Amino acid sequence: QVKLQESGPGLVNPSGTLSLTCSISGGAVSSSNWWSWVRQSPRKGLEWIGEIYHNGETYYNPSLKSRVTISADKSKNQFSLILTSVTAADTAVYYCARRRRFGDLFAFDIWGQGTMVIVSS
Amino acid sequence: EILLTQSPGTLSLSPGERATLSCRASQSVSNNYLAWYQQKPGQPPRLLIYGASYRATGIPDRFSGSGSGTDFTLSISRLEPEDFAVYYCQHYVSSSPMYTFGQGSKLEIK
Repeated sequence: QVKLQESGPGLVNPSGTLSLTCSISGGAVSSSNWWSWVRQSPRKGLEWIGEIYHNGETYYNPSLKSRVTISADKSKNQFSLILTSVTAADTAVYYCARRRRFGDLFAFDIWGQGTMVIVSS
Repeated sequence: EILLTQSPGTLSLSPGERATLSCRASQSVSNNYLAWYQQKPGQPPRLLIYGASYRATGIPDRFSGSGSGTDFTLSISRLEPEDFAVYYCQHYVSSSPMYTFGQGSKLEIK
């Protein structure tokens, strides 16, 4: 059974860099799935941030693209999120999730428990 | 970007009743790339339905999804106490790709 666990600082300074890691157990980051980051805040609800495929291919939400980098480390079986130049608007619960293919269809079928990140000095 | 509007914002029902939640897209959803999730306080979203009508693994058959084009529905035939939660629809655009979520519908105990 695949499980995901987010980790990283819970407090980030304004204008600083948010860095989170998602560790995968029971499965491999190198498998044929997309590995995604989604955040949730009272202001914007659920918002997809971006994703990475096992071959390193990445896609990002256009509204965040200039500030986001998602990478994967096969040796550690984890993938990571970097969000630069953060503001209070980036305060949210950050989830990592697996986007799985069901034939020609897709959905986020496995989610981490989420980690709260507050942007504040 | 396709916007998803869910209604009602809050639905108050009793256990045993039937719930019907709506998700309306601002443009036609191609290939029924529409999913539904359930979220309880302090928990991540849980996949219920993908492809508009396919139940995810382990989801009870009292949950069903329907619709096409711009109008989609999540129905819960007989509410159990554990079904009271917030429900989100989500759309996927393959060409970008891009994923958007609705603002959620809260199902509360009457």
